[in-house]
Amino acid sequence: DTEVTQTPKHLVMGMTNKKSLKCEQHMGHRAMYWYKQKAKKPPELMFVYSYEKLSINESVPSRFSPECPNSSLLNLHLHALQPEDSALYLCASSQWTQETQYFGPGTRLLVL
Amino acid sequence: KQEVTQIPAALSVPEGENLVLNCSFTDSAIYNLQWFRQDPGKGLTSLLLIQSSQREQTSGRLNASLDKSSGRSTLYIAASQPGDSATYLCAVRPRETSGSRLTFGEGTQLTVNP
Repeated sequence: DTEVTQTPKHLVMGMTNKKSLKCEQHMGHRAMYWYKQKAKKPPELMFVYSYEKLSINESVPSRFSPECPNSSLLNLHLHALQPEDSALYLCASSQWTQETQYFGPGTRLLVL
Repeated sequence: KQEVTQIPAALSVPEGENLVLNCSFTDSAIYNLQWFRQDPGKGLTSLLLIQSSQREQTSGRLNASLDKSSGRSTLYIAASQPGDSATYLCAVRPRETSGSRLTFGEGTQLTVNP
């Protein structure tokens, strides 16, 4: 099973809302990632978790707050987002940080 | 700073053609290179991963080559089909200790016409 699942598939939120994105994998991978992708652009790395510890934060604004409750689950908590944060948010996982990354289908986020 | 360039940006071919997508990178100190495809509005699907010590990898109708010294990789698609229509992205992983940061190219949007 090489599947990474993400929920919800679509999310519309106002600038004062708090919401969370969820990502799950059951491949025993020890590295998990959050990416942001704008239309017709490649994915941009946001966060990397290795062994459930945050190892990379690519200077992401604090209105994005990642969480890794266990080795299978990765959350991205959203608060006070801006319209320019509207994008496709992709989660990925890999056995180790230098191995093949498997991506989920993404959450399409629209901030009004 | 690593920069990855993909040429062409878009490609339209008739069904059955063999085609080559190109990827170039500026820093040859890479750990590996990965090719992905992405369908519109979907996540990325990993196609092939080539380690820096390898010259090529094959999977079905796909063949990816790597020339690290010249900073180039190609993805060869044989006997293209309409289902191959997608955006193809290459990404390089640095040789540094963390090795987590993939640097992506802008992608090649492929359309295979029936």
